[in-house]
Amino acid sequence: AQTVTQSQPEMSVQEAETVTLSCTYDTSESNYYLFWYKQPPSGQMILVIRQEAYKQQNATENRFSVNFQKAAKSFSLKISDSQLGDTAMYFCAFWDRDDKIIFGKGTRLHILP
Amino acid sequence: DAGVIQSPRHEVTEMGQEVTLRCKPISGHDYLFWYRQTMMRGLELLIYFNNNVPIDDSGMPEDRFSAKMPNASFSTLKIQPSEPRDSAVYFCASTRTGERYEQYFGPGTRLTVT
Repeated sequence: AQTVTQSQPEMSVQEAETVTLSCTYDTSESNYYLFWYKQPPSGQMILVIRQEAYKQQNATENRFSVNFQKAAKSFSLKISDSQLGDTAMYFCAFWDRDDKIIFGKGTRLHILP
Repeated sequence: DAGVIQSPRHEVTEMGQEVTLRCKPISGHDYLFWYRQTMMRGLELLIYFNNNVPIDDSGMPEDRFSAKMPNASFSTLKIQPSEPRDSAVYFCASTRTGERYEQYFGPGTRLTVT
């Protein structure tokens, strides 16, 4: 069965710094998708970034980028120039052809002024 | 599009009462998912539908939970009788065939059972 592991339950960084959130996963599939979702204090689940496993190029969305290491089954999220609005819970997630998305337990990120 | 709509946003009820949570998926989406989020267990998939048909309900915790999708634009999750351990945030999400990897989440319903 697929699993997603986030080893950092909580992190804090100063505003404007760069922060990296870690995620590892386990699967026997070769084609799949990986995601990072953000859940701010409002509770809404917001898709931050998506990576397709067959693409070697790392996905980037403005200040958010990923480091996708397929062989190592690692998928980290880098937030550059962090802002107070980035304070949230971040979930790493995995999807293959099974229709279901498997979520990690989350990393609570605090951006300090 | 209005996005996935859930109601109510907050629900407080007493143990033993019936609770019904509602969801309207995005128009044109043929998959609908119900999740439960708690501090202890994180985000769990309870059940999902494809074309209004339940496909996998293995995440439904027990017989007190039931879900229906009578048409493409409406789904309910019912808990009867409710218990304090059912207190959680319940999310509904939808997607469509061809883009099944991208689920759109509703704002969630925060349920408190006292």
